[in-house]
Amino acid sequence: DTAVSQTPKYLVTQMGNDKSIKCEQNLGHDTMYWYKQDSKKFLKIMFSYNNKELIINETVPNRFSPKSPDKAHLNLHINSLELGDSAVYFCASTHMNTEAFFGQGTRLTVV
Amino acid sequence: DQQVKQNSPSLSVQEGRISILNCDYTNSMFDYFLWYKKYPAEGPTFLISISSIKDKNEDGRFTVFLNKSAKHLSLHIVPSQPGDSAVYFCAAIPMYSGGGADGLTFGKGTHLIIQP
Repeated sequence: DTAVSQTPKYLVTQMGNDKSIKCEQNLGHDTMYWYKQDSKKFLKIMFSYNNKELIINETVPNRFSPKSPDKAHLNLHINSLELGDSAVYFCASTHMNTEAFFGQGTRLTVV
Repeated sequence: DQQVKQNSPSLSVQEGRISILNCDYTNSMFDYFLWYKKYPAEGPTFLISISSIKDKNEDGRFTVFLNKSAKHLSLHIVPSQPGDSAVYFCAAIPMYSGGGADGLTFGKGTHLIIQP
């Protein structure tokens, strides 16, 4: 049973499109995150959600919006996709801010 | 401004020898440190962690050392095995400083290659 699962694994789309990446965790964790790994391989946090409340929001464009229908899900919506959005996006979850468990990643390619 | 630095992009070690991966940090608020292992096309997997109240934590072949005064930590893998070939990320969080909700700050990673 996958602890943190995200779909799709690969996403190729045209500039200007709107897309979503889904994430689900079955660990009962209280906090979920979205991280972005860019072309330089840096893993940087984008958002975190705790009990449906957005805790932090790094300086990411407002075209990116996290949506959490419940504690086990944190989806990432991206509007008006740009070439620079191409990256690998990782979902993660933690309990009481201990070790984070990561999903397998979604490689987004904007053409 | 990189708050967690892994200055070696890659490291090559012979099978059976010790692998030592290094990490430096600049933020004094960091008090919990983690190492993650990542294979291609997979998400990072938690390996081992250490709290700032300790200077060493051991788990099987993996040992993490923390030198708070130098703001330096290292991961030792002994003996190194072919399956250890992966990218290793150092990460830090101000867990006890009240900033735990900020998520992990990662280094850029070190690609460890174990040679037979």
